[in-house]
Amino acid sequence: EAQVTQNPRYLITVTGKKLTVTCSQNMNHEYMSWYRQDPGLGLRQIYYSMNVEVTDKGDVPEGYKVSRKEKRNFPLILESPSPNQTSLYFCASSPQTGSGYTFGSGTRLTVV
Amino acid sequence: GEDVEQSLFLSVREGDSSVINCTYTDSSSTYLYWYKQEPGAGLQLLTYIFSNMDMKQDQRLTVLLNKKDKHLSLRIADTQTGDSAIYFCAERDDKIIFGKGTRLHILP
Repeated sequence: EAQVTQNPRYLITVTGKKLTVTCSQNMNHEYMSWYRQDPGLGLRQIYYSMNVEVTDKGDVPEGYKVSRKEKRNFPLILESPSPNQTSLYFCASSPQTGSGYTFGSGTRLTVV
Repeated sequence: GEDVEQSLFLSVREGDSSVINCTYTDSSSTYLYWYKQEPGAGLQLLTYIFSNMDMKQDQRLTVLLNKKDKHLSLRIADTQTGDSAIYFCAERDDKIIFGKGTRLHILP
């Protein structure tokens, strides 16, 4: 089944403790992206990647890192999480052109 | 900069038609999308329209595009309780820009 898989689905962590949210897609998509969703703010893009080893900042990249060492994986790294990074995170992928994103099921992160 | 605007809430009676509206700013957008997000779930692509089209129909869904006014709408015929969700409009040129979403509430 074609899908984007994020893990974990839920995570509670403490301020400053490094964490990684994994994202994997099995559709051979070139384009991958991370979004955070917050009430009243909609979806905001954190980072995106047009292909392997090509990553770019989105609208809210501060406090996040990403890597794209292989086509299928696009992990999101929070080196030193803070409470303002408490949010619902979505990974998405698409072919380079057209047909829109396929989204993962989301990761609800709480930083205390 | 690029922006996508949509109203935040819409209430519709079950069985009526729902019309969700969206405006966008980037005239070079090549694709425009409608996504649906049900509670606790990710976004699901409902339908999309190429920028050179005026209308697209898919069962109960009708998408209308007015390029001159940069206006996109989604009509859901015979709205049902399962249509209760947040609907996101999005445009794509080199990357996808999302609106803040319209929460559709179904009245009995």
